[in-house]
Amino acid sequence: AQSVSQHNHHVILSEAASLELGCNYSYGGTVNLFWYVQYPGQHLQLLLKYFSGDPLVKGIKGFEAEFIKSKFSFNLRKPSVQWSDTAEYFCAAWGTYKYIFGTGTRLKVLA
Amino acid sequence: NAGVTQTPKFRVLKTGQSMTLLCAQDMNHEYMYWYRQDPGMGLRLIHYSVGEGTTAKGEVPDGYNVSRLKKQNFLLGLESAAPSQTSVYFCASSYSAGTNYGYTFGSGTRLTVV
Repeated sequence: AQSVSQHNHHVILSEAASLELGCNYSYGGTVNLFWYVQYPGQHLQLLLKYFSGDPLVKGIKGFEAEFIKSKFSFNLRKPSVQWSDTAEYFCAAWGTYKYIFGTGTRLKVLA
Repeated sequence: NAGVTQTPKFRVLKTGQSMTLLCAQDMNHEYMYWYRQDPGMGLRLIHYSVGEGTTAKGEVPDGYNVSRLKKQNFLLGLESAAPSQTSVYFCASSYSAGTNYGYTFGSGTRLTVV
């Protein structure tokens, strides 16, 4: 069965620290992967997406993710986080007709 | 502004009561979805629709029913609410099954069942 797992449930960082959030997927077919962000009290917004080609994908707000097929991973990175990055981050894979979401990682950035 | 609108935004129900959540989109999207979001469990798909007049079950359909009589609307019904249905409900829509489009999410409905 298709699944997406996120290992870090809660992450606390200081401003300017580097961020890496893990995401692993299991899916036998063509993989399309996404990262969504949910700011406090808001709905999910698309950060970035990978369909094919360059495995390093750049998204909005300085985020990037790297697709590593051999590791079934799609980790999210940001070189220097800001207080405004405090949010919950969801990794997702496209299954048949719908997304499969990971359980989310809550990021808190301390000013 | 174009997008996905959910009503109501907040609701408190007593156990056993019924209610309907409305999701409306004005983007001519074919696909619509209802998710529930619970702490530590991420988003779980309740039901979805791939077009007007069609619906399908997701991961956690029990206790919910849906209807898609018009392309722009996707209704989620709770016939007899239970405390386990306390959650935040998100509706989403997508132009097609193609992944190029992604989802557009509504702002959510916070439901408490007491």
